[in-house]
Amino acid sequence: QVQLQQSGPGLVKPSQTLSLTCAISGDSVSSHSAAWNWIRQSPSRGLEWLGRTYYRSKWYNDYAVSVKSRITINPDTSKNQFSLQLNSVTPEDTAVYYCARDRQWELLYWGQGTLVTVSS
Amino acid sequence: DIQMTQSPSTLSASVGDRVTITCRASQSISSWLAWYQQKPGKAPKLLIYKASSLESGVPSRFSGSGSGTEFTLTISSLQPDDFATYYCQQYNTYSLFGQGTKVEIK
Repeated sequence: QVQLQQSGPGLVKPSQTLSLTCAISGDSVSSHSAAWNWIRQSPSRGLEWLGRTYYRSKWYNDYAVSVKSRITINPDTSKNQFSLQLNSVTPEDTAVYYCARDRQWELLYWGQGTLVTVSS
Repeated sequence: DIQMTQSPSTLSASVGDRVTITCRASQSISSWLAWYQQKPGKAPKLLIYKASSLESGVPSRFSGSGSGTEFTLTISSLQPDDFATYYCQQYNTYSLFGQGTKVEIK
C-alpha cells in the first residue's frame, strides 16, 4: 500500500521560498508507472494542481502555467521522496498543500495535507 | 487553456435521493476525467476514473458517464456518508479541477 508523508514548515514569510517534502513508502519515486504530484487547496482558488515529476527512462517535470515561473519539483532517489519549492510567495499562496501519486494520471494516493500560511 | 465548469455549486438532497452532478470541459478531453469526494479536513478520494470506471472499493451507487466535453457523476441513492464535496478533474492536458459541488442535507 502506497503511503505519502508530508513534512515542512507551516509558516513562510512573504517573498521567501515555500519548501515541502513528500516521503514515499510502498513505492519508488523512480517508478516507470507513476507520477508524483503537488496540489494545493484554498477557499479562493479551490483545488489547484501545481505540477508533477515522473521517470520514464529520464526525469520529466510538468508545471501549471499559473506557477511555472516560481515552482520546482525535484525527486530524491536516495531518500525515496520528492519535494516542492515555490519561490517569491505572497499571501495568495496560503493554502493546504497535498502531495499525491497517480496511477494513469488520475490521483489515487494522497498525503495528509499541510497548511502553509504566508505571513510576516 | 482548458476550462472545467462544474454544476451545481451546492446541492441539497435527502437520504435516498438520486443525485446528479455535471462537469463540462471547454474542449474535448476524450474520457480523461476523474471524480473525487472530499470531506472536511481530509484529502480528496478517487471515486471514478476514465469518466466511467469505478475505483476499487467505491460503492456501486456511484457511477460516471460522458465523454468529450460533458460528464456526469450520479449517486443512485444518497447515503448519510455521501454528504461531502465532489470535484471533477480533467487529465487530458496536465490536470485541472472543477470548482466543486457541495452535497448537503436538505
